[in-house]
Amino acid sequence: QVQLVQSGAEVKKPGASVKVSCKASGYTFTSYHMHWVRQAPGQGLEWVGIIKSDGASTLYAQKFQGRVTMSRDTSTSTVYMELGSLGSEDTAMYYCAREEPSIFYFDYWGQGSLVTVSS
Amino acid sequence: QSALTQPRSVSGSPGQSVTISCTGTNSDVGGYKYVSWYQHHPGKAPKLIISDVSKRPSGIPDRFSGSKSGNTASLTIFGLQAEDEADYYCCSYAGTNGYVFGTGTEVTVL
Repeated sequence: QVQLVQSGAEVKKPGASVKVSCKASGYTFTSYHMHWVRQAPGQGLEWVGIIKSDGASTLYAQKFQGRVTMSRDTSTSTVYMELGSLGSEDTAMYYCAREEPSIFYFDYWGQGSLVTVSS
Repeated sequence: QSALTQPRSVSGSPGQSVTISCTGTNSDVGGYKYVSWYQHHPGKAPKLIISDVSKRPSGIPDRFSGSKSGNTASLTIFGLQAEDEADYYCCSYAGTNGYVFGTGTEVTVL
């Protein structure tokens, strides 16, 4: 069965970077896109970006451009999202979510990784 | 890219129907047939309940129905049940801007 298992909670200081992982299993890893979505406390879901099935193409939401990087390791079927220059507003639950190319929706989600930014 | 607009909350008694609207622009909801809806229970991962405006994935009850007119998409829950109490989010493909979510709607079963 399809599973997306994310890394554990992180606490970071303002200005630092965080790297969250999402390990996929139960399907052909290189055939699917992976998205990252976040939810700040008391707020709604927010799309962060996508790393496409070719592993080379990425697209980030405009507000994160310049401080987010998505990458993957096909040997371990793991996708990574690194977010830099953290501020308190980046405190959120971060989810990875799978998309079959060109279906334009997210069919499986990870359990979420809580990132807390605090001095 | 601004979030799609949803009502903050809707409520209904068991058995009643509720409708959640999701308003965007010609650059997202109105420009593509790729609106999806997600049910989100606190502490859990979001769950896909509607894709491509009106398609229900396998296992989703037919009480959930989606539609779209112009720049506004809608989710209707017929025959509301206690387990439907959750937050609901629409999401639209937005071309070169990627994707945009709605502001979210809390559904309360009275």
